[in-house]
Amino acid sequence: EAQVTQNPRYLITVTGKKLTVTCSQNMNHEYMSWYRQDPGLGLRQIYYSMNVEVTDKGDVPEGYKVSRKEKRNFPLILESPSPNQTSLYFCASSEQGAPYGYTFGSGTRLTVV
Amino acid sequence: GDSVTQMEGPVTLSEEAFLTINCTYTATGYPSLFWYVQYPGEGLQLLLKATKADDKGSNKGFEATYRKETTSFHLEKGSVQVSDSAVYFCALSSPLWGGSQGNLIFGKGTKLSVKP
Repeated sequence: EAQVTQNPRYLITVTGKKLTVTCSQNMNHEYMSWYRQDPGLGLRQIYYSMNVEVTDKGDVPEGYKVSRKEKRNFPLILESPSPNQTSLYFCASSEQGAPYGYTFGSGTRLTVV
Repeated sequence: GDSVTQMEGPVTLSEEAFLTINCTYTATGYPSLFWYVQYPGEGLQLLLKATKADDKGSNKGFEATYRKETTSFHLEKGSVQVSDSAVYFCALSSPLWGGSQGNLIFGKGTKLSVKP
């Protein structure tokens, strides 16, 4: 089944403790992206990647890192999480870029206390 | 910059009622337009899309027409069901030659509740 898989689904952590949210897609897509969803704000892009070793900032990149060492994986790294990063995070992938639409994962609900 | 404005919810309808969720956009050039749906506890699913003016996207009884003259992409369904209860997001993407080909710009979402 074609899908984007994120792990974990739920995560509670403490301020300052480094964490990684994994994302993997099995569709051989070129583009991958991370979004965060907050009430009243909709979805905002954090980072995206156009191919292996090619990444770029989205609208809200502060406090996040990403890497794209393999085509299928695009982990999101929070090196020193803070409470304002409490959010619902979605990974997405696309064969040819956003104008063709993204396939989204099921989401990771992160709480930073 | 590019932006999407959609009607605020929540919207509550009775089963078999007609649905309209308004969406307007601001963008340079000719963006692609999308409607995504998010069911409770799930990720976003692409509902329909349109890539050029006057295109009509349709899926599962939902329709939306790309209106360049009014910069709109309103979502409609003739007869809603309880199973359509979800949050609906309008989104746009700038054309590839305009850069930002990795980004979808979303509206804030409209929550729809359909009562039996």
